[in-house]
Amino acid sequence: DQQVKQNSPSLSVQEGRISILNCDYTNSMFDYFLWYKKYPAEGPTFLISISSIKDKNEDGRFTVFLNKSAKHLSLHIVPSQPGDSAVYFCAASLGGAGSYQLTFGKGTKLSVIP
Amino acid sequence: GAVVSQHPSWVICKSGTSVKIECRSLDFQATTMFWYRQFPKQSLMLMATSNEGSKATYEQGVEKDKFLINHASLTLSTLTVTSAHPEDSSFYICSARDPGSVKNIQYFGAGTRLSVL
Repeated sequence: DQQVKQNSPSLSVQEGRISILNCDYTNSMFDYFLWYKKYPAEGPTFLISISSIKDKNEDGRFTVFLNKSAKHLSLHIVPSQPGDSAVYFCAASLGGAGSYQLTFGKGTKLSVIP
Repeated sequence: GAVVSQHPSWVICKSGTSVKIECRSLDFQATTMFWYRQFPKQSLMLMATSNEGSKATYEQGVEKDKFLINHASLTLSTLTVTSAHPEDSSFYICSARDPGSVKNIQYFGAGTRLSVL
């Protein structure tokens, strides 16, 4: 049973436009969400995160939105650049002291077309 | 962000041999490290949580005698795949949690591609 779902395996976007990557979760006990970016044959790189007490977090071109009632979060990249082409993983963790484990989605492959 | 080094990046071995993968946190002390396995076009699957100075905690379905984890220091965790077989071929990735950073950010190594012949 997948607790973190990324239903779009791939997404293509024109350079300069907005990329929107979506993520849904089923466990209402998750209280912290992260997005990672991964290039082939490399480990994931941390991008941005959001706590469940917030509904938006912005860092440069990257913004993460959280809708707790819908158990949905999204990553917006604007403007998209060719270097953003990678696989993006959504991850979630449970609350409580010592709860450091992350549950990952299957990833969405973003292709930004020049 | 923090730096985690993983070595080797690629290893080919014969069936029945053992392979050791190292994961080092280079600029912070990691009391907790994690080992993941990734199959093609799949998510990262947590195999085990490695705690410095104590036994690793394995996820359900992961054979602890097959995948030996040692976290002997605050900057080094090792994963040994014992008596490797072709079905163990996969991409193994480690991560480390920086206690000085925001609670649940993990920093990842570059991964190890294991091919068992």
